[in-house]
Amino acid sequence: EAGVTQSPTHLIKTRGQQATLRCSPISGHTSVYWYQQALGLGLQFLLWYDEGEERNRGNFPPRFSGRQFPNYSSELNVNALELEDSALYLCASSSSASSYSTDTQYFGPGTRLTVL
Amino acid sequence: KNQVEQSPQSLIILEGKNCTLQCNYTVSPFSNLRWYKQDTGRGPVSLTIMTFSENTKSNGRYTATLDADTKQSSLHITASQLSDSASYICVVISGGGYNKLIFGAGTRLAVHP
Repeated sequence: EAGVTQSPTHLIKTRGQQATLRCSPISGHTSVYWYQQALGLGLQFLLWYDEGEERNRGNFPPRFSGRQFPNYSSELNVNALELEDSALYLCASSSSASSYSTDTQYFGPGTRLTVL
Repeated sequence: KNQVEQSPQSLIILEGKNCTLQCNYTVSPFSNLRWYKQDTGRGPVSLTIMTFSENTKSNGRYTATLDADTKQSSLHITASQLSDSASYICVVISGGGYNKLIFGAGTRLAVHP
């Protein structure tokens, strides 16, 4: 069974540009989560999509947005990039949309975004 | 304020030795607690998920404990191997919705030969 995949592996942008990151969940999973992991910091929750809908978002500005497609893959867009957006962006998927669920989130390898 | 604190921040042990990582949380209401292992440059991998009623859960050489009264959890690694070198992240999920997924900063473990 293929795991969660993310593309690209690395992305280099300059300040003010836009970045698009992509995630494909494990087959059969309907929920996709996005996290930001800045260097030396813990994981920060960004967005949660399930069945094509945004279910919740973390404390990030509106220039962080995304969507989930009918095949449950997802895209994270970051507009007007700032230097502090440089981080590892991780995508995870799970089979359950319940926040009370004990279902495991399976993480992808991440996209390392560098903003110059 | 909902917080998850892990200790120590980093730890160096010799191959074959045991170690215990700590996680204290102030998250309420509590749903479940998870331990993840994250190798450098990779996504986290789930080790254990513990609900309120579970005190101990093992996954191979990893054993997690949970004391819901004192809001403490520990991850014990037995007979460490070089491949155990990674960051170990404690995550607490509150019952208040997914924006209540609270991550600890992690403990960076280095196992030396």
